[in-house]
Amino acid sequence: SQQGEEDPQALSIQEGENATMNCSYKTSINNLQWYRQNSGRGLVHLILIRSNEREKHSGRLRVTLDTSKKSSSLLITASRAADTASYFCAITSGGSYIPTFGRGTSLIVHP
Amino acid sequence: DADVTQTPRNRITKTGKRIMLECSQTKGHDRMYWYRQDPGLGLRLIYYSFDVKDINKGEISDGYSVSRQAQAKFSLSLESAIPNQTALYFCATSDLGLAEQYFGPGTRLTVT
Repeated sequence: SQQGEEDPQALSIQEGENATMNCSYKTSINNLQWYRQNSGRGLVHLILIRSNEREKHSGRLRVTLDTSKKSSSLLITASRAADTASYFCAITSGGSYIPTFGRGTSLIVHP
Repeated sequence: DADVTQTPRNRITKTGKRIMLECSQTKGHDRMYWYRQDPGLGLRLIYYSFDVKDINKGEISDGYSVSRQAQAKFSLSLESAIPNQTALYFCATSDLGLAEQYFGPGTRLTVT
């Protein structure tokens, strides 16, 4: 199973700014998910995007998928201090429904 | 009440001790998973179970065992704990045919 690689590893922004983080992978995927983890807590599922989809939205979150570049991005618009967390991409590929998680991007939003 | 619960939430134990981490869920999902999280390494899959009679090893199963006592319960055991098993352990569930996972709050385990 393959692991996505998030970039950047850490991101620090001011409240109200947009935050963009990326996930790259190596081989074809079934779907790609984004999760959020507040410090020391369990992961929370944010969005799932299938390999035949290019963009999905959920509230202030926008996820894009470019299968030709084997990459996805997560955009958080008008960030808030409460968005401070680690964000992980998780990939399912082949015949498996089990996602493989990347190492995450640590986002700090300063009030 | 939380859909996925883990006990204990924190545990400090000594090298060589046997320890069991427990996970219960009320989501009615068939699939359950155990992960460990180490700083900078993301989540790594230890074991997973697709139903009560199905147990599978994950990426890092050595030193661990599991038991699926019921659809709602999945426990992880460390038969003889060692310091490099110090980590944050998560249980997760998912529904049949869907990839989204639902995580418990985690157990912070320290082996001294």
